Amino acid sequence: AQSVTQLGSHVSVSEGALVLLRCNYSSSVPPYLFWYVQYPNQGLQLLLKYTTGATLVKGINGFEAEFKKSETSFHLTKPSAHMSDAAEYFCAVTYGGGSNYKLTFGKGTLLTVNP
Amino acid sequence: SQTIHQWPATLVQPVGSPLSLECTVEGTSNPNLYWYRQAAGRGLQLLFYSVGIGQISSEVPQNLSASRPQDRQFILSSKKLLLSDSGFYLCAWSPTGRAAGNTIYFGEGSWLTVV
Repeated sequence: AQSVTQLGSHVSVSEGALVLLRCNYSSSVPPYLFWYVQYPNQGLQLLLKYTTGATLVKGINGFEAEFKKSETSFHLTKPSAHMSDAAEYFCAVTYGGGSNYKLTFGKGTLLTVNP
Repeated sequence: SQTIHQWPATLVQPVGSPLSLECTVEGTSNPNLYWYRQAAGRGLQLLFYSVGIGQISSEVPQNLSASRPQDRQFILSSKKLLLSDSGFYLCAWSPTGRAAGNTIYFGEGSWLTVV
């Protein structure tokens, strides 16, 4: 069975500081990994995803994540936080194979950016 | 391009009343369709998914049901709402095919408050 753990339900950073949101996964087969962002009262928007190939994945809004198989991690980073990055972030995992599939989501990390 | 529409955006219903949330996808054929529920502090819970017309899989036993009367239409229903049905409901779709790395795309969500 697959699962996702997001360490820290709430992360607070200053504007201009590094953003690091942690995600660890558990999957018995090679995973496909996703990060989504959710702004208040809105749906989820894809930030980036890892399927195969390069382990450093770049996404929208300056975010990137690195797949580390040995650490079963897929942490999300951004070098310099902006006020507009304040939102909730979800890590998700699925696995390959089959014509239908389901994402398993973490419980989310709320990012606050202080001026 | 593909778009997903979900309505109503907000709903306040008394306990014991019926529910109908509707979702339609445009710009694609034979999508996988999903209903998720998001409760505070619990992340996203997959309620139902569908790989074709009339094909519904339920992930958790509950007071809700889903139907797919047309290829790109997905409906979430209840005959009698419970207080515990309150939450933020998200419809989503993904392309079909064996590429499990395909992204799941979310609608804007529907806030349901049962009073």
